[in-house]
Amino acid sequence: DAGITQSPRYKITETGRQVTLMCHQTWSHSYMFWYRQDLGHGLRLIYYSAAADITDKGEVPDGYVVSRSKTENFPLTLESATRSQTSVYFCASSLTSGFSYEQYFGPGTRLTVT
Amino acid sequence: AQKVTQAQTEISVVEKEDVTLDCVYETRDTTYYLFWYKQPPSGELVFLIRRNSFDEQNEISGRYSWNFQKSTSSFNFTITASQVVDSAVYFCALSVRGGSNYKLTFGKGTLLTVNP
Repeated sequence: DAGITQSPRYKITETGRQVTLMCHQTWSHSYMFWYRQDLGHGLRLIYYSAAADITDKGEVPDGYVVSRSKTENFPLTLESATRSQTSVYFCASSLTSGFSYEQYFGPGTRLTVT
Repeated sequence: AQKVTQAQTEISVVEKEDVTLDCVYETRDTTYYLFWYKQPPSGELVFLIRRNSFDEQNEISGRYSWNFQKSTSSFNFTITASQVVDSAVYFCALSVRGGSNYKLTFGKGTLLTVNP
């Protein structure tokens, strides 16, 4: 009963490199989300997905790419990492409509861009 | 635009004290949902409660209680007889549907420290 997992848990990368953060959930939840958490900003939504092959932008999508070919996976790619993308990234999932249902969060990935 | 304000950045109490975490929200939508999440030192976010805009009943769950008042756009969270294990960052969040898009806005969180 893994629930929702993220990998890697910690990542250090250099400016300009491409990085992919993985998210996997075992509940068959329709909705999945990516957030970043920064001091002074709280949690901000990057992208979300209502189902496989359906994704949409959140509040801070620039510099990020997502895909969702399978319901259970929702990878987040930083195409060319910048120092401003140093953050803790959380993946979350929701049973049905993310609008009205609670979300379940993964343990987070701490990303440092040098 | 939606906004969630948690004016208390940090609160420190002694064990067994009652503590209230404030949450004030702004939205023009008439249908919305409010949430509270807890983030303990281990880092993961844990769902605590959901409330829709049409249900103003207060809720009590053990030592936790929530007071939703539409008249003041507030959704406050009270912990009674606080314990050290309550130490965490608590986030209030607002969910509205904007056309075909989905918008969830978190407050910046309140760090609660419960001292023994």
